[in-house]
Amino acid sequence: EDQVTQSPEALRLQEGESSSLNCSYTVSGLRGLFWYRQDPGKGPEFLFTLYSAGEEKEKERLKATLTKKESFLHITAPKPEDSATYLCAVNRNNDMRFGAGTRLTVKP
Amino acid sequence: GAVVSQHPSRVICKSGTSVKIECRSLDFQATTMFWYRQFPKQSLMLMATSNEGSKATYEQGVEKDKFLINHASLTLSTLTVTSAHPEDSSFYICSASGRGNQPQHFGDGTRLSIL
Repeated sequence: EDQVTQSPEALRLQEGESSSLNCSYTVSGLRGLFWYRQDPGKGPEFLFTLYSAGEEKEKERLKATLTKKESFLHITAPKPEDSATYLCAVNRNNDMRFGAGTRLTVKP
Repeated sequence: GAVVSQHPSRVICKSGTSVKIECRSLDFQATTMFWYRQFPKQSLMLMATSNEGSKATYEQGVEKDKFLINHASLTLSTLTVTSAHPEDSSFYICSASGRGNQPQHFGDGTRLSIL
């Protein structure tokens, strides 16, 4: 059965403390892995798309990487404004399956 | 970037009322639109997928007569929750994507509260 699992469920960091969020997947026919950021009471905001193992994408303090089994979202020197829930999703046959998300809190 | 507008952002109404939620892609043509439901601290649950001019495809367990979806143009889809009851209270989010393997872009959601 296709699955998308994110870990940890919640992560608390001090400002400037770098870390990584994990998204592991077992999906046949992967057509892309997507990272989103969701703030409370808002819809998810698109961050990255990764299509093949070895691919990397960067945006400000965020860097996403992809292997055949998982993706990592690395956060370098996070700031309080990076606090949000980060969702990963896999696209298979034109429908998207989301993980449960990682709730990130960055303390000043 | 791609912008999706969802309206209204919040609805409070009495049990038995039907509620319509609109989802518009403002700067791109959305060949496919998706409707999700999200419970507190949980991830997005896909309800249905609709392609412009076609009937929506509903996920297992989602009542198509309860949640009416119309995707009449490349920029507009609507979700109507018919005869809403308190158990229908939730956060409903739409998304839209263009042709090919494009990412979905989301609206800001509608908080529906049925009294």
